[in-house]
Amino acid sequence: AQTVTQSQPEMSVQEAETVTLSCTYDTSENNYYLFWYKQPPSRQMILVIRQEAYKQQNATENRFSVNFQKAAKSFSLKISDSQLGDTAMYFCAFMVQGGKLIFGQGTELSVKP
Amino acid sequence: DTAVSQTPKYLVTQMGNDKSIKCEQNLGHDTMYWYKQDSKKFLKIMFSYNNKELIINETVPNRFSPKSPDKAHLNLHINSLELGDSAVYFCASSQRGQRGEAFFGQGTRLTVV
Repeated sequence: AQTVTQSQPEMSVQEAETVTLSCTYDTSENNYYLFWYKQPPSRQMILVIRQEAYKQQNATENRFSVNFQKAAKSFSLKISDSQLGDTAMYFCAFMVQGGKLIFGQGTELSVKP
Repeated sequence: DTAVSQTPKYLVTQMGNDKSIKCEQNLGHDTMYWYKQDSKKFLKIMFSYNNKELIINETVPNRFSPKSPDKAHLNLHINSLELGDSAVYFCASSQRGQRGEAFFGQGTRLTVV
């Protein structure tokens, strides 16, 4: 079975500091996509960053970067210079054949002033 | 212009009623999805359509019936609503074979009383 696990239900960080959210997954596929989505209180699902499994280079989008360890099936998200607007639920997701997304349980991140 | 739009955003109804949620995407994508987010914020796929053809049908009660009149629209009809159907329902779309990213609607919060 393909699964995604986020082991940190809640995290908090001080504004301007760095925080890392963990994610592990399980699959027997070789080519796939991994994503981090952000869900603020507005409920909208917003794509933060994506990673193609065949790319060894870790994806980066401004203050957001990932540490992708394919052999370990680990896909953590690092947020640098945390801002109050980063407060949200963060979901790690894995895309399987047909475009179906399998989500982790989510990590509730609070950025404190 | 909203890329994926759902209506209504909020829906409160009594047990036993029948209701529909509509979804439209203007991204030209060929695949659309319905996801359910439960009270613990866990997201799970319900259905997926590719070019109006049902391709994913997870274990969902047959009271839920999706309909795709064309590839830009995917509606969800729910018969005989039950208290346990209360959740947030998200529509999403993607283009198969192109980087995999799914775009989400703003969600419909369904409350069954």
